[in-house]
Amino acid sequence: NAGVTQTPKFRVLKTGQSMTLLCAQDMNHEYMYWYRQDPGMGLRLIHYSVGEGTTAKGEVPDGYNVSRLKKQNFLLGLESAAPSQTSVYFCASSYLSIGELFFGEGSRLTVL
Amino acid sequence: AQTVTQSQPEMSVQEAETVTLSCTYDTSESDYYLFWYKQPPSRQMILVIRQEAYKQQNATENRFSVNFQKAAKSFSLKISDSQLGDAAMYFCAYRGTSGAGSYQLTFGKGTKLSVIP
Repeated sequence: NAGVTQTPKFRVLKTGQSMTLLCAQDMNHEYMYWYRQDPGMGLRLIHYSVGEGTTAKGEVPDGYNVSRLKKQNFLLGLESAAPSQTSVYFCASSYLSIGELFFGEGSRLTVL
Repeated sequence: AQTVTQSQPEMSVQEAETVTLSCTYDTSESDYYLFWYKQPPSRQMILVIRQEAYKQQNATENRFSVNFQKAAKSFSLKISDSQLGDAAMYFCAYRGTSGAGSYQLTFGKGTKLSVIP
């Protein structure tokens, strides 16, 4: 049972570099999310998707882009990384709009 | 926008004792869902318990139970017979049932629970 899988798990970037985080879920969930977790801040929503081909902004979308070309995948992109984007990123999915979220293991990103 | 407040950044409990973690939330909706998630040092987010606002009965999962006070907008988590494996960060979360709020979970900032042997 893979559930929600994030790659990579760890990454170090230099300021200005770009990268993409990949999230894949095998539960046929409609809804997918990207959160970031920072010390003392809890989890904050970056972007989310309510179905294939759709995306929407969350609480802290600036500096990030997302795509949902396939139902099972949700990509988070950083076009020009900044030290403020150093964080742990979580992908999550849910089947219903009223259900709990299932989370990946998180990806730790450090921007130097 | 809905907000979730966890007023206890850190708590500790003796092994085998009971501890209660507090959570309050702000909403204008009458129907919604509340959750407690556990995050151990492994970083994995694990669902502990969920509560539907339309249900008056408090949810229970083994040693974990909640005290849901809808009028007071309070949703506390009680852990009975605390075990060393309960040591973790605990997050309270809210999910609405209408509009954009139904698509996302709003989290509190978390309470770090330590269990003393």
